[in-house]
Amino acid sequence: AQKITQTQPGMFVQEKEAVTLDCTYDTSDPSYGLFWYKQPSSGEMIFLIYQGSYDQQNATEGRYSLNFQKARKSANLVISASQLGDSAMYFCAMREDSLSGANSKLTFGKGITLSVRP
Amino acid sequence: NAGVMQNPRHLVRRRGQEARLRCSPMKGHSHVYWYRQLPEEGLKFMVYLQKENIIDESGMPKERFSAEFPKEGPSILRIQQVVRGDSAAYFCASSRGYNEQFFGPGTRLTVL
Repeated sequence: AQKITQTQPGMFVQEKEAVTLDCTYDTSDPSYGLFWYKQPSSGEMIFLIYQGSYDQQNATEGRYSLNFQKARKSANLVISASQLGDSAMYFCAMREDSLSGANSKLTFGKGITLSVRP
Repeated sequence: NAGVMQNPRHLVRRRGQEARLRCSPMKGHSHVYWYRQLPEEGLKFMVYLQKENIIDESGMPKERFSAEFPKEGPSILRIQQVVRGDSAAYFCASSRGYNEQFFGPGTRLTVL
């Protein structure tokens, strides 16, 4: 089974509207972290937001918020007031905090393309 | 405050040559990770290093690939005898450990 699933093939949103990008994950590790990264056409990976599995509240960072539903194993990214510069690929990733404490690699989904229309 | 530095940004090699990719982590970061991104794919973990130690190399191909992070200097990802299938973007990330990983701009490797 895939650890991170991003199934939306491509998303379109009107400028200034909100958009939700879906991410579901699969892990048996009780302690884990969830991340979202943005990759514009220039290619760099930009960290957006982080949610820990034990965090009681959903993470927010400016226009980004993470809709964390632990029982459903979903960690959807919500972008409010979309801007043209938000057009990019968006990747969801997970870090599983194993008992050894050394396994801090990230596992990425395949990504979602977001296009913001003027 | 400089971010993660990678060089070169673009690298072209002929089949059979060696490729050396360099990564300088952010100041204060002692954890380095290498990831590979094939076209239209997400990033795939390759190796995780701390100074002078390989912590997790579960994503590294068994042959031709090696990585190091010496006490002084950048981390190096080395690919010997490159083949066309090695063409990809290689990203380095650094962190302080149990925190978010910050990525460099990547090295785009093209094998002719």
